[in-house]
Amino acid sequence: QKEVEQNSGPLSVPEGAIASLNCTYSDRGSQSFFWYRQYSGKSPELIMSIYSNGDKEDGRFTAQLNKASQYVSLLIRDSQPSDSATYLCAVTGGGNKLTFGTGTQLKVEL
Amino acid sequence: EPEVTQTPSHQVTQMGQEVILRCVPISNHLYFYWYRQILGQKVEFLVSFYNNEISEKSEIFDDQFSVERPDGSNFTLKIRSTKLEDSAMYFCASSPAGTRQGEQFFGPGTRLTVL
Repeated sequence: QKEVEQNSGPLSVPEGAIASLNCTYSDRGSQSFFWYRQYSGKSPELIMSIYSNGDKEDGRFTAQLNKASQYVSLLIRDSQPSDSATYLCAVTGGGNKLTFGTGTQLKVEL
Repeated sequence: EPEVTQTPSHQVTQMGQEVILRCVPISNHLYFYWYRQILGQKVEFLVSFYNNEISEKSEIFDDQFSVERPDGSNFTLKIRSTKLEDSAMYFCASSPAGTRQGEQFFGPGTRLTVL
């Protein structure tokens, strides 16, 4: 059973701080890694993709991948109240099937 | 910005009835997917579709389910003989060809309630 594990949270950070979200995966053959944001009652929204070891930055978001440790993380700089949502980690293996984690709920407090 | 659309937004049906959920993927995308999310649970893969055939399906996607691309724009999920446990949000997604084919864009979802 291929698993993606995330701490369910909630993770509370003050406005303007850095939020750090973590994810581990069990399938060493996983090839592509994604972070989605899901507001309550809404659909997942793709915010970052990462395919190779290291860091990838896009605006306030940085994704980090360590395949040896089977670990993916998402950093959100200058967190805003609008960032409050559930963040879903998802991975693919040889095909395009996304395997999702249960998500980490982020709360950005004023 | 182009987006995936889904209809209806909410479908209520009686147990044992058939439902068809409809999706219009992003127009230049070639890969299409259905996922579901039971309330409070994780998003689960159902099926992927490429070049007019199923490319991968999960254990959930049994004979009760079928998918079809009836024309050049629509992508449908049919659920036959619905069960109470089929109640969930059903999301359609699509992705482009090439190196970004794993980047899936989700529609707003159809909330299916089976009574």
